[in-house]
Amino acid sequence: AQSVTQPDIHITVSEGASLELRCNYSYGATPYLFWYVQSPGQGLQLLLKYFSGDTLVQGIKGFEAEFKRSQSSFNLRKPSVHWSDAAEYFCAVGATYNTDKLIFGTGTRLQVFP
Amino acid sequence: SQTIHQWPATLVQPVGSPLSLECTVEGTSNPNLYWYRQAAGRGLQLLFYSVGIGQISSEVPQNLSASRPQDRQFILSSKKLLLSDSGFYLCAWGTSNEQYFGPGTRLTVT
Repeated sequence: AQSVTQPDIHITVSEGASLELRCNYSYGATPYLFWYVQSPGQGLQLLLKYFSGDTLVQGIKGFEAEFKRSQSSFNLRKPSVHWSDAAEYFCAVGATYNTDKLIFGTGTRLQVFP
Repeated sequence: SQTIHQWPATLVQPVGSPLSLECTVEGTSNPNLYWYRQAAGRGLQLLFYSVGIGQISSEVPQNLSASRPQDRQFILSSKKLLLSDSGFYLCAWGTSNEQYFGPGTRLTVT
C-alpha cells in the first residue's frame, strides 16, 4: 500500500538559513509526488509537483524538490528561508493508476526565528 | 479562474447534534471533489470523494456522510456528532492529478 513518511514533526531554522524537509514514500511504481503548504487556520496550497522527467522540480515561493527513486525520497528545499515561510508542510503521493486520490504525510511544522 | 468556498469557517456544536458543511466550486465543470479531516498532529485523512453528481465513495467508516446534489456542490453531514468528530475539515477539487483546497471549516464538538 502507498504511504508517505515525514520524519521531522517540527523544524526550527533562522531566517536566511537553508532548509530541507524530508519526505519518503512507499509505492511500487512511479508515483506522482506533491508538496503542499498550510498556514495556520488555512487550507493547503500546492507548492510543487513531480510527475515525470527532470527529477529536480521548481515550485512557487522559491522552493524546489528533488525526486530520488533509489532513496524513495522527495525532499523539499529552499536556499534562504523567510519569516513568512513559517507554516506546516505536507508531502503527498498519488498513484499513477488511480490519480483521483492522494496520500498525505503527517506534516512538518516549520518555525522561523528572526 | 477556479475558486473553492467552504462554510461555515468555524462551528461549535454539542455532542449528538446534526452537522452540515458545504463546499462549492466555481470556474470548473465536473471536478472530482474530496472531503478531508485534519486532526491535530495527524495529517490529512481522506473521508469521501466524488467523481460526479450522486457518486460518493467513502474511505473511512464513520458516522459522517457526504452528498453531491449538484456538479459543483459537495456536502458533508452527520445526524449525530461525536466528540471525535472535532477537527479541521477541508474540501478539495481535483483534475489532472492535482488537488486544490478550500479554506477549511474548524469544527469543535463540545
